[in-house]
Amino acid sequence: DAEITQSPRHKITETGRQVTLACHQTWNHNNMFWYRQDLGHGLRLIHYSYGVHDTNKGEVSDGYSVSRSNTEDLPLTLESAASSQTSVYFCASSEGGQYVQYFGPGTRLTVT
Amino acid sequence: QKEVEQDPGPLSVPEGAIVSLNCTYSNSAFQYFMWYRQYSRKGPELLMYTYSSGNKEDGRFTAQVDKSSKYISLFIRDSQPSDSATYLCAMSETGGGNKLTFGTGTQLKVEL
Repeated sequence: DAEITQSPRHKITETGRQVTLACHQTWNHNNMFWYRQDLGHGLRLIHYSYGVHDTNKGEVSDGYSVSRSNTEDLPLTLESAASSQTSVYFCASSEGGQYVQYFGPGTRLTVT
Repeated sequence: QKEVEQDPGPLSVPEGAIVSLNCTYSNSAFQYFMWYRQYSRKGPELLMYTYSSGNKEDGRFTAQVDKSSKYISLFIRDSQPSDSATYLCAMSETGGGNKLTFGTGTQLKVEL
């Protein structure tokens, strides 16, 4: 069955370190999205991509970057991790032109 | 003021009760409306998807959209303990780049 996976599921890192969270989908969806979920804020969009080599900033993109070298993967990089980036991160994907998004299981990141 | 407002709860109901979950929004351009269910420490999963105004029913779940009032609802009939989760509303506008705007979620607990 097609699916979307995230790794690692849990990560503890130190302030200032670079961290990369992986997202892999096997639906062959063109659209991929990264969100963070925090209490009181819900899901907030970090970055998104409509296809290979396309990336766009969301509402909370500062301190994060993404690159899209193939259809299946959209890794999220925290350039220099900060305690404010402690959160649960979700990757999602959707077919081109479609609004329904399908979510991965999430990565719980703690920055100490 | 947030673009999408949702009462965070928690909402506690007895098994078998009818549950009503609601979201209000301010952007009149929203045309696509979704409800996601999120179990603790899991990713959101799509429950219902509606376009524009009207009702949609799927088993015990009914989604209603009232665009004139900028108000959407999710009704759960004969609620079960397995319905205990956080329910997120999400919406998008035509030409909005397939991006979703989420409510903060309502935590529901169905008690035996």
